[in-house]
Amino acid sequence: NAGVMQNPRHLVRRRGQEARLRCSPMKGHSHVYWYRQLPEEGLKFMVYLQKENIIDESGMPKERFSAEFPKEGPSILRIQQVVRGDSAAYFCASSSGTGRDTEAFFGQGTRLTVV
Amino acid sequence: DAKTTQPTSMDCAEGRAANLPCNHSTISGNEYVYWYRQIHSQGPQYIIHGLKNNETNEMASLIITEDRKSSTLILPHATLRDTAVYYCIVRVAGTSGSARQLTFGSGTQLTVLP
Repeated sequence: NAGVMQNPRHLVRRRGQEARLRCSPMKGHSHVYWYRQLPEEGLKFMVYLQKENIIDESGMPKERFSAEFPKEGPSILRIQQVVRGDSAAYFCASSSGTGRDTEAFFGQGTRLTVV
Repeated sequence: DAKTTQPTSMDCAEGRAANLPCNHSTISGNEYVYWYRQIHSQGPQYIIHGLKNNETNEMASLIITEDRKSSTLILPHATLRDTAVYYCIVRVAGTSGSARQLTFGSGTQLTVLP
């Protein structure tokens, strides 16, 4: 059973470009979470999605950031018009969402560098 | 979710047990204790979780005090590869089949020494 797959592992973008980060959850998981880790800081929750629905986006910056989890295909975190402050590691996690104490499994992250 | 308090850093000799404490004095009755770790530059790795009973799996043991205000993660025979930041997280279990996001604090940097 493959784990949570994120790609690309490393992404370099120039200021003003768009960054698209992809996350394929574990097989059978329908809940996806995106986290951001700025250099030398802890992980911060961004958004929680189920298939085709955004459940909680309280951690998402108000502008330039969006996320989706379509019926078919991976979840996408999209950052428009990137700035240097967007440079960070972006982690995706998934869970099955069944039961009361489900754990979340993380991918290896995408390291975004804005130059 | 209840706030947790962990030491900033700890050292442990290779082969010895590593005992990582966590205080969660404001924990509610329906909140679980979760432990994750993050090895440098990698994604967080789930270790173990529990509600009120002690738990053990192939990676670690979790000891939760009777009043549930603190817990200890035990790595029975620490290896160099266990060097990581360990996060203690308290959160409400999912309702209606959903799971909530995890709130990561600063964690404990465990360094296993040869």
